[in-house]
Amino acid sequence: TQLLEQSPQFLSIQEGENLTVYCNSSSVFSSLQWYRQEPGEGPVLLVTVVTGGEVKKLKRLTFQFGDARKDSSLHITAAQTGDTGLYLCAGEVQSNYQLIWGAGTKLIIKP
Amino acid sequence: GAGVSQSPSNKVTEKGKDVELRCDPISGHTALYWYRQSLGQGLEFLIYFQGNSAPDKSGLPSDRFSAERTGGSVSTLTIQRTQQEDSAVYLCASTLAGASSYNEQFFGPGTRLTVL
Repeated sequence: TQLLEQSPQFLSIQEGENLTVYCNSSSVFSSLQWYRQEPGEGPVLLVTVVTGGEVKKLKRLTFQFGDARKDSSLHITAAQTGDTGLYLCAGEVQSNYQLIWGAGTKLIIKP
Repeated sequence: GAGVSQSPSNKVTEKGKDVELRCDPISGHTALYWYRQSLGQGLEFLIYFQGNSAPDKSGLPSDRFSAERTGGSVSTLTIQRTQQEDSAVYLCASTLAGASSYNEQFFGPGTRLTVL
């Protein structure tokens, strides 16, 4: 069974602080996606990382794919209240249309 | 509309009743997924449709669950004899092509099902 472990499950911090969310697996992924989901809505793709060691930046969000393509991290700098939401990682296994989903990190940024 | 739409947005039903959930994917998207999400949790894969191929039903939790996709577009997920453990948000997603999820999955807003 392929698993994608996401941590922490819950994080509540003050506006302006930094944070990192992790996704780890024993499986190798051909790509890994990060989504953000707000209450009452479906997940929305933030980024896809493909190459081992790849780093992508989206404003204050930095995404990294591990060298072995088994893990990924999302780092948020100077968190804002608008960053509040459920962050999900999802890994793609080569030649398989199914994504392996993490359980999500519920992030709350307090003003 | 430009996005994936789902209806109803909320459904409250009594245990034992049947429910039907609808998904309208983005026009031109050949692949469609149904997921189930318990409160604040990750996504549980239910079923996958790709073009005219036989659907992958491997994620359906029991034979009370079924789904169809008519004309390669609209999909309905039917739950018969609903149980309280079926209560969850049911999400639908479509992609341009099913061979690789390099193609972003576009999600609808979901249907929140509550079984009393």
